[in-house]
Amino acid sequence: GDSVTQMEGPVTLSEEAFLTINCTYTATGYPSLFWYVQYPGEGLQLLLKATKADDKGSNKGFEATYRKETTSFHLEKGSVQVSDSAVYFCALLYNFNKFYFGSGTKLNVKP
Amino acid sequence: DAGVTQSPTHLIKTRGQHVTLRCSPISGHKSVSWYQQVLGQGPQFIFQYYEKEERGRGNFPDRFSARQFPNYSSELNVNALLLGDSALYLCASSLSGTQDEKLFFGSGTQLSVL
Repeated sequence: GDSVTQMEGPVTLSEEAFLTINCTYTATGYPSLFWYVQYPGEGLQLLLKATKADDKGSNKGFEATYRKETTSFHLEKGSVQVSDSAVYFCALLYNFNKFYFGSGTKLNVKP
Repeated sequence: DAGVTQSPTHLIKTRGQHVTLRCSPISGHKSVSWYQQVLGQGPQFIFQYYEKEERGRGNFPDRFSARQFPNYSSELNVNALLLGDSALYLCASSLSGTQDEKLFFGSGTQLSVL
C-alpha cells in the first residue's frame, strides 16, 4: 500500500548549517507530495508541496523536489535558524482525500 | 478569522468509556478530516466528511465514528476506549476536500486513556 518513509531524528544542527531531511515514498499512480511542520504546542502547518514529477516546492528558504525516478522528496534548507526547530512530516496525498504521513523528524537547531 | 478550533484541548478517560471530540472548521470550509497522532508517529487518517457525508475512512475499527453537521462542524466519537486510543486527535478543514487543496489543521485534542 501507499506509505512514506522519512529519516529518523532527532537531527541536531548549529545555526546556519545546511539541512537535509530524507523522504521516500511508495505509491501507485501519481500522488502529490507535501512537507508539513509542527511547532511545539501547535497544529500541523503546510510548509511546501509539489504536485507532479520534477516540481520543486519552496517556502521560507526550504525546498524539496519531486523525484519520480527515485521516489523521493527530500527537504533541504541552506542555512537553518533556531526558529526552524520543530518536527517535520513528509506526506503523500493520493486519491484526493487521504494523507499518508511519515513518522516525523525532529529538528533541533542550536545557537 | 479564526482557524480550525478543537475542543476540548485535553481529556482524560478510563478504559471502556466513550468520548466525543469536536471540531469547528474555518469559516467557508465544507470539508473536515480527522487524524490520530500517536506519540512519536505521524498522523493517521481516520475520516473525511464533505457536505455532511462520509467521503473516506481509514483503517480504524467500528468503535470510531464521526458526523458532520449542517454548519460543517464535526464530531469524532470513540466507544469502548482502549489504552491504545491515547493520542493527539487532529482535525483539518479545507474548502471542498479535493486533491491538492490546502488543509488547515487545528491544534488537536490530547486524549489520555487510563
